[in-house]
Amino acid sequence: DAKTTQPPSMDCAEGRAANLPCNHSTISGNEYVYWYRQIHSQGPQYIIHGLKNNETNEMASLIITEDRKSSTLILPHATLRDTAVYYCIVLHGSSNTGKLIFGQGTTLQVKP
Amino acid sequence: DTGVSQDPRHKITKRGQNVTFRCDPISEHNRLYWYRQTLGQGPEFLTYFQNEAQLEKSRLLSDRFSAERPKGSFSTLEIQRTEQGDSAMYLCASSLWQGREQPQHFGDGTRLSIL
Repeated sequence: DAKTTQPPSMDCAEGRAANLPCNHSTISGNEYVYWYRQIHSQGPQYIIHGLKNNETNEMASLIITEDRKSSTLILPHATLRDTAVYYCIVLHGSSNTGKLIFGQGTTLQVKP
Repeated sequence: DTGVSQDPRHKITKRGQNVTFRCDPISEHNRLYWYRQTLGQGPEFLTYFQNEAQLEKSRLLSDRFSAERPKGSFSTLEIQRTEQGDSAMYLCASSLWQGREQPQHFGDGTRLSIL
């Protein structure tokens, strides 16, 4: 599975959009981009995933560049409860194991 | 709540003791994963089951660790002769595998502290 690179930390003002970038320049054609987040003292929470098209759900939007080498997770109206570590993970669509390989993630601090 | 549940949430024990953790996955999920997370790091994969079969074990899973999923439902993770380095959060996740991986759903973990 391809490796990902994320900035270690970011700040965002409450009510503004939070844009979290992720580089995955070695991604292959059938690898998906997954985003999870982990709020302090809780287990990771699935947010969204995508292959090549942009995706949106009730939590966030995922924008994947045309060459698929990078993506951005967008939280449209960040709240204090969105303060968490955000992990970008690349996973083969038909991976035999499905095991997730977490990096260090991006610590997002939403400030009032 | 029909999410993944883990028991206990916290465990404090003396070095050398054995500990066992339990994970109850989402009922229709056929895959179950164990991860370990130390302070300031992302979770690390330990092992996973598809139904009752344990299909992969990480090299992190020393011979003091054993995991079971006897009926393809709940799972247990046992650590024998605990060491200081075993102090960590142990996370369980489950997913539905139907030829294609689906998102994993995590429990809130068992925090193990070794005195």
